[in-house]
Amino acid sequence: EAGVTQFPSHSVIEKGQTVTLRCDPISGHDNLYWYRRVMGKEIKFLLHFVKESKQDESGMPNNRFLAERTGGTYSTLKVQPAELEDSGVYFCASSQRTALAGNEQFFGPGTRLTVL
Amino acid sequence: SQQGEEDPQALSIQEGENATMNCSYKTSINNLQWYRQNSGRGLVHLILIRSNEREKHSGRLRVTLDTSKKSSSLLITASRAADTASYFCAFMNRDDKIIFGKGTRLHILP
Repeated sequence: EAGVTQFPSHSVIEKGQTVTLRCDPISGHDNLYWYRRVMGKEIKFLLHFVKESKQDESGMPNNRFLAERTGGTYSTLKVQPAELEDSGVYFCASSQRTALAGNEQFFGPGTRLTVL
Repeated sequence: SQQGEEDPQALSIQEGENATMNCSYKTSINNLQWYRQNSGRGLVHLILIRSNEREKHSGRLRVTLDTSKKSSSLLITASRAADTASYFCAFMNRDDKIIFGKGTRLHILP
């Protein structure tokens, strides 16, 4: 069974440009999560989808970040315009049920974003 | 802050020795998980321990949880070179969010 995949694996852009990250969860997983780790800091929650609905987006840093999950399958995370402090590794995870039900979240390999 | 705190931040040991990493947290949790991240790779789930459990084993891994002290430990026995990685504790709070610590960088010396 394929795991969580993310594209691209690495993106280098200039400040002010737009970048779109993609996450394909494990097939059948209704729950999809985005996290990020900026340099030297801890991994932080960004948001949680249940199917196509945003269950919790309290971790989104500001309105330059837009996440979508049309159709409840793959998700995109767009950063527009990108700033230097957005550099870091963006992880996506999926789970069949919610973590409250004790279900494991499976993480993708991450997208390393570098903003110059 | 609900953030977990791991210690030590970095640990170097000889291959074959045991490695112990600790994690403390501040809030009530439903469960606590440990993850590993090899350089440039994604997060790999190692083990989950529920709030009503005290100890759990998986292969060479042993995790303990002390909810009264709000702390957990991860023990890797008979360490191998392939265990070199960063290890993160992460706990699920009542809002269904995973909160990660900053991680412990483990380096196994040959």
